[in-house]
Parts: sequence; structure tokens; C-alpha cells
Amino acid sequence: AQKVTQAQTEISVVEKEDVTLDCVYETRDTTYYLFWYKQPPSGELVFLIRRNSFDEQNEISGRYSWNFQKSTSSFNFTITASQVVDSAVYFCALKGGNEKLTFGTGTRLTIIP
Amino acid sequence: EAGVAQSPRYKIIEKRQSVAFWCNPISGHATLYWYQQILGQGPKLLIQFQNNGVVDDSQLPKDRFSAERLKGVDSTLKIQPAKLEDSAVYLCASSPLPSGSTDTQYFGPGTRLTVL
Repeated sequence: AQKVTQAQTEISVVEKEDVTLDCVYETRDTTYYLFWYKQPPSGELVFLIRRNSFDEQNEISGRYSWNFQKSTSSFNFTITASQVVDSAVYFCALKGGNEKLTFGTGTRLTIIP
Repeated sequence: EAGVAQSPRYKIIEKRQSVAFWCNPISGHATLYWYQQILGQGPKLLIQFQNNGVVDDSQLPKDRFSAERLKGVDSTLKIQPAKLEDSAVYLCASSPLPSGSTDTQYFGPGTRLTVL
């Protein structure tokens, strides 16, 4: 079985601050994929990134960056210089082998203007 | 490229009534998924289709839920009869590759169901 834990239920930061969303996962598969999705108030899940278990390079996309560490089974997401439009619920998800895509419970991020 | 389309966006029904949701995946996507997202939780897979065949329906409450994907394109999810605990957002997703591969799933806007 696989599991994703997002311990931070809600986070609030003031606009322009940096914020990191934590994701810890469990899987017995040696090959697996990790994802981050954003769910704005409109409800649609927006794909942000996919990372496979053999690629531990950190990734940066504009103000977004991701830190993948197999040693601690973590795949954390950092938003630099946060903006009000970043307010949403963010989900980390895991898919290994023949398993279903498993989501964490999400972190609700509120950016205060 | 058009995204995943779902309708209706909102639905309110009384318990024991029936309801149906519709999904049109991204053009050319072989795999289609239905998820249930209860408030405060992550989405949970209900059923997965590859073309018009069912790949995984192990978490679908088959006594009241049914789904079909005729002609391997559009899909409908039905609940009959609805219970109070079925109140949730029902999300449809699609991915381009056949099931068994690990491909990115793209989600629609969802249908928010309220059962009174």
C-alpha cells in the first residue's frame, strides 16, 4: 500500500513571503511517480509537476520550486514571493507500480494581501 | 487544446433520488477516471476506464453507483439511489496513455453534489 501525508492542514502567509508545503510519502515500489496539483476555489485540479523516483534533481519553474529527497521520502513544494493568486488547496500525490494515484489530504494556502 | 469538460457543475437532490454526471475527456485520451472528493479530503478513485473497458472499479459502491464509457469517449457516472454521504465533488480526469503506464492525469472542473 502507498500513502501520502501532508501534515500542514492550513497555512497563511503575507503576500511576497516565501512558503513551503510539505509532503511525505510511503511506498514499497522502487519505481514511482510524485505529483503536485493545485485546486483553486473553482474546484478544478491543476497539474503542476510530475517527478519520477530516479530523478532527484530539484526543479524550478518561475516562482515554484520542488525539493525531492528519497532519503527522507519527501517531496516539498516552495513558492517564492507568494501572490494572492497562489491561494488554493495544494495536493501531493503518489503513483507506484500498479497502484492507484493516491492523494494526500491537501494543504490550504491563504495569501494575505 | 480543450480541457476535460464536465456537467452539470452543481446538483442538489433529495436522498433516494437518482443523479447522473457527464464527462468529456481531452480529445484522444485513452484513459478516463472518475474520482470522489469529500470535503476536506483528497480525491479518491471510483473507476478507471481504458477506452470503453473498465480497468479498476474496486472502490466503486456498485450497489448504487454505475458508470459507462460508450464508444471510448464520453462517460457518465450515475448514483441511484443517492444517500446523504454521497455529497461530494465528483471529478473526471483523463490521461493520454493506456492504463498501466504512469501518465499525468488532467482533471475537469468537477460536479458538486449536495444530497439533502
